[in-house]
Amino acid sequence: GAGVSQSPRYKVAKRGQDVALRCDPISGHVSLFWYQQALGQGPEFLTYFQNEAQLDKSGLPSDRFFAERPEGSVSTLKIQRTQQEDSAVYLCASSLGEGRGYEQYFGPGTRLTVT
Amino acid sequence: TQLLEQSPQFLSIQEGENLTVYCNSSSVFSSLQWYRQEPGEGPVLLVTVVTGGEVKKLKRLTFQFGDARKDSSLHITAAQPGDTGLYLCAGALSGGSNYKLTFGKGTLLTVNP
Repeated sequence: GAGVSQSPRYKVAKRGQDVALRCDPISGHVSLFWYQQALGQGPEFLTYFQNEAQLDKSGLPSDRFFAERPEGSVSTLKIQRTQQEDSAVYLCASSLGEGRGYEQYFGPGTRLTVT
Repeated sequence: TQLLEQSPQFLSIQEGENLTVYCNSSSVFSSLQWYRQEPGEGPVLLVTVVTGGEVKKLKRLTFQFGDARKDSSLHITAAQPGDTGLYLCAGALSGGSNYKLTFGKGTLLTVNP
């Protein structure tokens, strides 16, 4: 079956532009996660959805970051007024259930470069 | 302060050698996962360990979870060039946020032919 897909794979934005990053999780996966991975670092948690409900957004760096999953499937991470420090790889992951014991499967990521 | 410390940060070895990488924390985890990530790709799950003292084997890879569930190790026997990649450990803390994975910075392994 298909894995987690993300689009676009690469995005170059000028500082101040808005961007939208898409994630298609594995079909039937209840949980969806967004992570940010800076160069040379491990991924850092941004936000968590269980179906359409955003249960944890504690990792979002600022109010310029917004995520949604309106129908409990596809999710979009939006960044408004991009800044250079937003340059990173944004990873999406999904898992079958909720909480511990349900393994997370990652997409290939979207590499965002803000110039 | 990094919640999960991985060591070494970089490791370059010759094909056929053995190696061990470590993942340490002062926190107790309800589960710990190991991933391998290749350039331009997302992390790929290798194993999940949940019980203190647990040992899991995946072909030439052996994973161990510490008795106190604070640390883990990954041992590779007879490394091959295909093992090259960034090895990440990630832990889920106990309690209400047990869905949230905290990652280490990773060990970048290069296996030279």
